[in-house]
Amino acid sequence: DTAVSQTPKYLVTQMGNDKSIKCEQNLGHDTMYWYKQDSKKFLKIMFSYNNKELIINETVPNRFSPKSPDKAHLNLHINSLELGDSAVYFCASSDSSQQPQHFGDGTRLSIL
Amino acid sequence: EDQVTQSPEALRLQEGESSSLNCSYTVSGLRGLFWYRQDPGKGPEFLFTLYSAGEEKEKERLKATLTKKESFLHITAPKPEDSATYLCAVLANSGYALNFGKGTSLLVTP
Repeated sequence: DTAVSQTPKYLVTQMGNDKSIKCEQNLGHDTMYWYKQDSKKFLKIMFSYNNKELIINETVPNRFSPKSPDKAHLNLHINSLELGDSAVYFCASSDSSQQPQHFGDGTRLSIL
Repeated sequence: EDQVTQSPEALRLQEGESSSLNCSYTVSGLRGLFWYRQDPGKGPEFLFTLYSAGEEKEKERLKATLTKKESFLHITAPKPEDSATYLCAVLANSGYALNFGKGTSLLVTP
């Protein structure tokens, strides 16, 4: 049983397109996150979200937007994709910010 | 600004050769320090959380320790299956999510 699952695993698309990445967790956690891992393997927080509050890393372009239909899902929508958006995107969840986060296996996004 | 620095960037060990990975941090009040393991093509896998200086946690061949400025991940008699990237992350009092270091890539050869 996968605790945090992301789809798709690979996403190849053209510059300028709009795409979404889905994330679901079955751990009953209250808080979900999106991270970006660049080509140098450096993981950086993009968003933190629970049912009360969305916190956005100020460095994230507003072309990126998280959408949460319910507590178990946090999807990432990206508008007008650019070459620099190529990276691996990881979803994670935790009981609270001080508890360990559990990660999905990532979505590798490649922009042509 | 909060900073997390891991060293070395890469480490190659012979099977059975014990060593330590370092994670130095500068944060405005530490709420927790986390160690993760990441295998190629996978997400980070949680190993340990340390909350206060002097705390130690152990799991199989791994032992994590914490001081006020750094954390060590000690690997005793490693096996090839311990090969992975080990990531350190801190949660600051002023933070809402983990601040990761760049990781140490560990290769254990038979």
